[in-house]
Amino acid sequence: GENVEQHPSTLSVQEGDSAVIKCTYSDSASNYFPWYKQELGKRPQLIIDIRSNVGEKKDQRIAVTLNKTAKHFSLHITETQPEDSAVYFCVTGGGNKLTFGTGTQLKVEL
Amino acid sequence: NAGVTQTPKFQVLKTGQSMTLQCAQDMNHEYMSWYRQDPGMGLRLIHYSVGAGITDQGEVPNGYNVSRSTTEDFPLRLLSAAPSQTSVYFCASGTEQPQHFGDGTRLSIL
Repeated sequence: GENVEQHPSTLSVQEGDSAVIKCTYSDSASNYFPWYKQELGKRPQLIIDIRSNVGEKKDQRIAVTLNKTAKHFSLHITETQPEDSAVYFCVTGGGNKLTFGTGTQLKVEL
Repeated sequence: NAGVTQTPKFQVLKTGQSMTLQCAQDMNHEYMSWYRQDPGMGLRLIHYSVGAGITDQGEVPNGYNVSRSTTEDFPLRLLSAAPSQTSVYFCASGTEQPQHFGDGTRLSIL
């Protein structure tokens, strides 16, 4: 089955700095790459997604990049704010199945 | 729209008991799925459905049954609860992939 590796497992940044989370995957058939944010005790929420025919997508302070040849994709958050503190999951999708990474605990410090 | 509604929010069972976790969505989504989330881990797919009458297994299906008699409902049944099934269970729905998650059911098996 699909294997998704996510790094780092924890990330601490100062407010206003940028944060980058990286993921690699194994299944070349994967064609959908969403990112989820999960606050403590809450549901995962879709924050951005990208499909395999697109190399980059941006939504305000959040951007995702995809390199299908190398099988890796990244989440970039600029001008981080305290409310960005949460666990972020990279996910790969192929067909109707999603495979989640193990998550990155992002802490934005004042 | 209520979105994805899960009941109950909390449940404690004894080993060997059976129960059904309920999931309902009012967005007319064809795709519904069940995930479990264990501490420090991402979400793992248990079962999913691409429409009424159609279900399939995910990554960790053993010990769980599902059915999809209507578009709106997708219950998850624990046949004989085991301590290893202690987890947080999330139901999700979407047009093709699970984009909307419920609030989760925290299940403890003693």
